[in-house]
Amino acid sequence: AQKVTQAQTEISVVEKEDVTLDCVYETRDTTYYLFWYKQPPSGELVFLIRRNSFDEQNEISGRYSWNFQKSTSSFNFTITASQVVDSAVYFCALSELTGNQFYFGTGTSLTVIP
Amino acid sequence: DVKVTQSSRYLVKRTGEKVFLECVQDMDHENMFWYRQDPGLGLRLIYFSYDVKMKEKGDIPEGYSVSREKKERFSLILESASTNQTSMYLCASWGEGYEQYFGPGTRLTVT
Repeated sequence: AQKVTQAQTEISVVEKEDVTLDCVYETRDTTYYLFWYKQPPSGELVFLIRRNSFDEQNEISGRYSWNFQKSTSSFNFTITASQVVDSAVYFCALSELTGNQFYFGTGTSLTVIP
Repeated sequence: DVKVTQSSRYLVKRTGEKVFLECVQDMDHENMFWYRQDPGLGLRLIYFSYDVKMKEKGDIPEGYSVSREKKERFSLILESASTNQTSMYLCASWGEGYEQYFGPGTRLTVT
Protein backbone atom coordinates (compact mmCIF):
# COMPACT_ATOMS: atom_id res chain seq x y z
CA ALA A 1 0.00 0.00 0.00
CA GLN A 2 1.06 3.57 -0.62
CA LYS A 3 1.76 5.59 2.46
CA VAL A 4 3.65 8.70 3.53
CA THR A 5 4.74 9.16 7.12
CA GLN A 6 5.83 12.42 8.67
CA ALA A 7 6.59 11.41 12.22
CA GLN A 8 7.30 14.94 13.42
CA THR A 9 4.00 16.62 14.19
CA GLU A 10 5.41 19.90 15.45
CA ILE A 11 8.88 21.39 15.52
CA SER A 12 10.06 24.65 17.05
CA VAL A 13 13.43 26.16 16.33
CA VAL A 14 15.08 29.46 17.04
CA GLU A 15 15.75 31.67 14.07
CA LYS A 16 18.97 30.87 12.20
CA GLU A 17 19.01 27.27 13.36
CA ASP A 18 18.97 24.50 10.78
CA VAL A 19 16.01 22.13 10.80
CA THR A 20 15.29 18.85 9.03
CA LEU A 21 11.81 17.61 8.32
CA ASP A 22 11.56 13.86 7.90
CA CYS A 23 9.50 12.00 5.33
CA VAL A 24 9.33 8.24 4.91
CA TYR A 25 7.22 6.62 2.23
CA GLU A 26 5.97 3.21 1.21
CA THR A 27 5.07 2.25 -2.34
CA ARG A 28 4.78 -0.85 -4.45
CA ASP A 29 5.57 1.12 -7.60
CA THR A 30 9.05 1.20 -9.07
CA THR A 31 8.50 4.64 -10.53
CA TYR A 32 6.81 7.47 -8.71
CA TYR A 33 7.06 11.13 -7.81
CA LEU A 34 7.79 12.67 -4.45
CA PHE A 35 6.85 16.21 -3.46
CA TRP A 36 7.15 18.76 -0.72
CA TYR A 37 4.55 21.46 -0.20
CA LYS A 38 4.47 24.40 2.17
CA GLN A 39 1.24 25.65 3.70
CA PRO A 40 1.66 29.09 5.29
CA PRO A 41 -0.98 30.50 7.65
CA SER A 42 -2.86 31.89 4.64
CA GLY A 43 -3.80 28.30 3.81
CA GLU A 44 -2.80 27.83 0.18
CA LEU A 45 -0.42 24.96 -0.49
CA VAL A 46 2.73 26.08 -2.23
CA PHE A 47 4.72 23.62 -4.27
CA LEU A 48 8.40 23.38 -3.26
CA ILE A 49 9.88 20.43 -5.12
CA ARG A 50 9.08 17.39 -7.23
CA ARG A 51 11.46 14.46 -7.45
CA ASN A 52 11.23 11.56 -9.87
CA SER A 53 12.11 8.18 -8.39
CA PHE A 54 14.77 7.73 -11.06
CA ASP A 55 16.69 10.71 -9.81
CA GLU A 56 18.38 10.25 -6.46
CA GLN A 57 20.49 13.34 -6.68
CA ASN A 58 20.11 15.68 -3.77
CA GLU A 59 18.87 19.13 -4.57
CA ILE A 60 19.60 22.53 -3.13
CA SER A 61 17.59 25.66 -3.68
CA GLY A 62 18.82 28.58 -1.65
CA ARG A 63 18.35 27.71 2.01
CA TYR A 64 16.35 24.60 1.14
CA SER A 65 17.80 21.20 0.42
CA TRP A 66 16.35 17.77 -0.08
CA ASN A 67 17.88 14.38 0.55
CA PHE A 68 16.29 11.51 -1.37
CA GLN A 69 17.39 8.02 -0.40
CA LYS A 70 15.63 5.16 -2.10
CA SER A 71 17.40 2.60 0.07
CA THR A 72 15.64 3.93 3.16
CA SER A 73 12.52 5.22 1.35
CA SER A 74 13.11 8.68 2.71
CA PHE A 75 12.85 12.16 1.26
CA ASN A 76 13.96 14.57 3.93
CA PHE A 77 13.84 18.35 3.74
CA THR A 78 16.36 20.65 5.42
CA ILE A 79 16.04 24.37 5.94
CA THR A 80 19.34 26.06 6.66
CA ALA A 81 19.47 29.23 8.75
CA SER A 82 15.74 29.20 9.35
CA GLN A 83 13.72 32.41 9.26
CA VAL A 84 10.40 33.41 10.77
CA VAL A 85 8.84 33.31 7.29
CA ASP A 86 9.57 29.60 7.18
CA SER A 87 6.90 29.05 9.84
CA ALA A 88 4.28 26.89 8.15
CA VAL A 89 2.96 23.39 7.84
CA TYR A 90 5.01 21.27 5.47
CA PHE A 91 3.59 18.28 3.64
CA CYS A 92 5.41 15.46 1.94
CA ALA A 93 3.52 13.61 -0.80
CA LEU A 94 3.88 10.65 -3.13
CA SER A 95 2.17 10.10 -6.46
CA GLU A 96 1.90 7.51 -9.15
CA LEU A 97 3.22 8.61 -12.52
CA THR A 98 -0.33 8.65 -13.89
CA GLY A 99 -1.25 11.39 -11.45
CA ASN A 100 -4.41 9.54 -10.52
CA GLN A 101 -3.48 9.21 -6.88
CA PHE A 102 -1.56 11.41 -4.52
CA TYR A 103 -0.75 10.37 -0.99
CA PHE A 104 0.00 13.03 1.58
CA GLY A 105 1.66 12.78 4.94
CA THR A 106 -0.07 14.35 7.94
CA GLY A 107 2.22 17.35 7.84
CA THR A 108 4.84 18.87 10.11
CA SER A 109 4.10 22.22 11.69
CA LEU A 110 7.27 24.28 11.89
CA THR A 111 7.51 27.31 14.12
CA VAL A 112 10.55 29.53 13.85
CA ILE A 113 10.97 31.68 16.94
CA PRO A 114 12.59 35.08 16.46
CA ASP B 1 0.81 30.47 -14.30
CA VAL B 2 -1.61 27.71 -13.50
CA LYS B 3 -4.53 29.00 -11.64
CA VAL B 4 -6.95 26.98 -9.55
CA THR B 5 -9.77 29.00 -8.11
CA GLN B 6 -12.42 28.06 -5.61
CA SER B 7 -15.74 29.80 -5.36
CA SER B 8 -15.50 30.84 -1.72
CA ARG B 9 -12.78 31.25 0.89
CA TYR B 10 -15.21 31.04 3.79
CA LEU B 11 -18.65 29.51 3.93
CA VAL B 12 -21.12 29.04 6.76
CA LYS B 13 -24.03 26.67 6.25
CA ARG B 14 -26.71 25.11 8.40
CA THR B 15 -27.10 21.42 9.10
CA GLY B 16 -29.13 19.74 6.39
CA GLU B 17 -28.42 22.32 3.70
CA LYS B 18 -27.17 21.29 0.28
CA VAL B 19 -23.74 22.80 -0.30
CA PHE B 20 -21.88 23.31 -3.57
CA LEU B 21 -18.15 23.96 -3.66
CA GLU B 22 -16.89 24.97 -7.06
CA CYS B 23 -13.39 24.64 -8.43
CA VAL B 24 -12.08 25.91 -11.75
CA GLN B 25 -8.66 25.43 -13.32
CA ASP B 26 -7.33 27.18 -16.38
CA MET B 27 -4.59 24.83 -17.60
CA ASP B 28 -6.59 22.18 -19.42
CA HIS B 29 -5.56 19.59 -16.84
CA GLU B 30 -7.14 16.17 -17.07
CA ASN B 31 -7.09 15.32 -13.40
CA MET B 32 -8.82 17.19 -10.64
CA PHE B 33 -9.13 16.40 -6.94
CA TRP B 34 -11.06 17.33 -3.85
CA TYR B 35 -9.45 16.98 -0.43
CA ARG B 36 -10.45 17.88 3.04
CA GLN B 37 -7.89 18.96 5.58
CA ASP B 38 -8.34 18.50 9.30
CA PRO B 39 -5.82 19.11 12.10
CA GLY B 40 -3.64 16.08 12.69
CA LEU B 41 -5.08 14.20 9.74
CA GLY B 42 -3.38 15.95 6.86
CA LEU B 43 -5.06 15.95 3.47
CA ARG B 44 -7.58 13.23 2.80
CA LEU B 45 -8.84 12.57 -0.69
CA ILE B 46 -12.60 12.75 -1.12
CA TYR B 47 -12.95 12.26 -4.87
CA PHE B 48 -10.91 12.69 -7.99
CA SER B 49 -11.73 12.92 -11.65
CA TYR B 50 -9.49 11.99 -14.57
CA ASP B 51 -11.79 13.18 -17.32
CA VAL B 52 -15.10 14.88 -17.96
CA LYS B 53 -17.96 12.92 -16.40
CA MET B 54 -15.47 10.47 -14.87
CA LYS B 55 -14.99 10.23 -11.14
CA GLU B 56 -13.36 7.95 -8.64
CA LYS B 57 -13.89 7.70 -4.92
CA GLY B 58 -11.04 8.61 -2.68
CA ASP B 59 -10.52 7.66 0.94
CA ILE B 60 -13.52 9.43 2.46
CA PRO B 61 -16.35 9.81 -0.10
CA GLU B 62 -19.23 9.22 2.30
CA GLY B 63 -21.56 12.18 2.48
CA TYR B 64 -20.15 13.78 -0.66
CA SER B 65 -20.72 13.65 -4.38
CA VAL B 66 -18.99 15.36 -7.29
CA SER B 67 -19.75 16.62 -10.73
CA ARG B 68 -17.50 17.25 -13.69
CA GLU B 69 -19.49 18.39 -16.69
CA LYS B 70 -16.67 20.47 -18.17
CA LYS B 71 -12.96 19.81 -18.12
CA GLU B 72 -12.10 22.97 -16.25
CA ARG B 73 -14.72 22.67 -13.52
CA PHE B 74 -15.00 20.18 -10.70
CA SER B 75 -17.74 20.58 -8.13
CA LEU B 76 -18.02 19.03 -4.70
CA ILE B 77 -21.53 18.57 -3.34
CA LEU B 78 -22.60 17.99 0.21
CA GLU B 79 -26.12 16.65 -0.20
CA SER B 80 -27.10 17.31 3.40
CA ALA B 81 -24.43 19.10 5.35
CA SER B 82 -23.57 17.85 8.81
CA THR B 83 -21.43 19.37 11.55
CA ASN B 84 -18.73 16.73 11.04
CA GLN B 85 -18.20 18.13 7.58
CA THR B 86 -16.88 21.36 9.02
CA SER B 87 -13.41 21.48 7.53
CA MET B 88 -11.03 23.07 5.07
CA TYR B 89 -11.70 21.88 1.52
CA LEU B 90 -8.93 22.00 -1.03
CA CYS B 91 -9.25 21.54 -4.75
CA ALA B 92 -6.29 20.59 -6.94
CA SER B 93 -5.56 19.88 -10.55
CA TRP B 94 -2.77 17.90 -12.14
CA GLY B 95 -1.23 17.95 -15.57
CA GLU B 96 0.98 15.15 -16.82
CA GLY B 97 4.48 15.31 -15.46
CA TYR B 98 3.89 18.15 -13.08
CA GLU B 99 2.89 18.72 -9.53
CA GLN B 100 -0.59 19.21 -8.21
CA TYR B 101 -1.71 22.80 -8.23
CA PHE B 102 -3.92 23.77 -5.35
CA GLY B 103 -6.62 26.34 -4.95
CA PRO B 104 -6.73 28.68 -1.95
CA GLY B 105 -9.15 26.45 -0.05
CA THR B 106 -12.65 26.88 1.29
CA ARG B 107 -13.14 26.89 5.02
CA LEU B 108 -16.61 25.48 5.55
CA THR B 109 -18.42 25.74 8.85
CA VAL B 110 -21.63 23.78 9.34
CA THR B 111 -23.70 24.91 12.30
